Amino acid sequence: EAQVTQNPRYLITVTGKKLTVTCSQNMNHEYMSWYRQDPGLGLRQIYYSMNVEVTDKGDVPEGYKVSRKEKRNFPLILESPSPNQTSLYFCASSWGTSGEQETQYFGPGTRLLVL
Amino acid sequence: AQSVTQLDSHVSVSEGTPVLLRCNYSSSYSPSLFWYVQHPNKGLQLLLKYTSAATLVKGINGFEAEFKKSETSFHLTKPSAHMSDAAEYFCVVSEYGNKLVFGAGTILRVKS
Repeated sequence: EAQVTQNPRYLITVTGKKLTVTCSQNMNHEYMSWYRQDPGLGLRQIYYSMNVEVTDKGDVPEGYKVSRKEKRNFPLILESPSPNQTSLYFCASSWGTSGEQETQYFGPGTRLLVL
Repeated sequence: AQSVTQLDSHVSVSEGTPVLLRCNYSSSYSPSLFWYVQHPNKGLQLLLKYTSAATLVKGINGFEAEFKKSETSFHLTKPSAHMSDAAEYFCVVSEYGNKLVFGAGTILRVKS
């Protein structure tokens, strides 16, 4: 089944404790992206990647890191989480960036609570 | 920069009555526009997509949306609401490079 998977789905952590949220897609998509969802704000892009070893900042990159060493994986790293990073996180992927290829498919989400 | 405004944060309809979720956008060029739906505690599912072909776009589950360039609108409609339509709906515009810009969302409540 074609899908985007995220792990973990739920995570409670404490301020300053490094964590990684994994994202994997099995559709051979070139483009991958991370978003965070906060009430009343919709989803905002954190980072994106056009292809392996190519990443760039979105609208809210502060406090996050990403890497794209393999085409299928795009982990989100919080080196020193803070309470304002408590949010619902979504990973998404697409074939490309225009026309029929631009439709993004979303993972199930990771709910993070930073105490 | 592109932006999306969903005109209603909450919409309440009775089962079997029409649904209208309103969306206005701003864009400096011909945009791609989407509607996504998020059911409680679920991920986002694509409902439909506009990419400058037909202005009336049909999606899944009986939803459709009409692109009106003169009004910069992309409203989502459904002739008859079902209880399973209760969810949060996001209007989305795609910027250059496939960055998605989301509206704040509209929560649809369906009363029996």
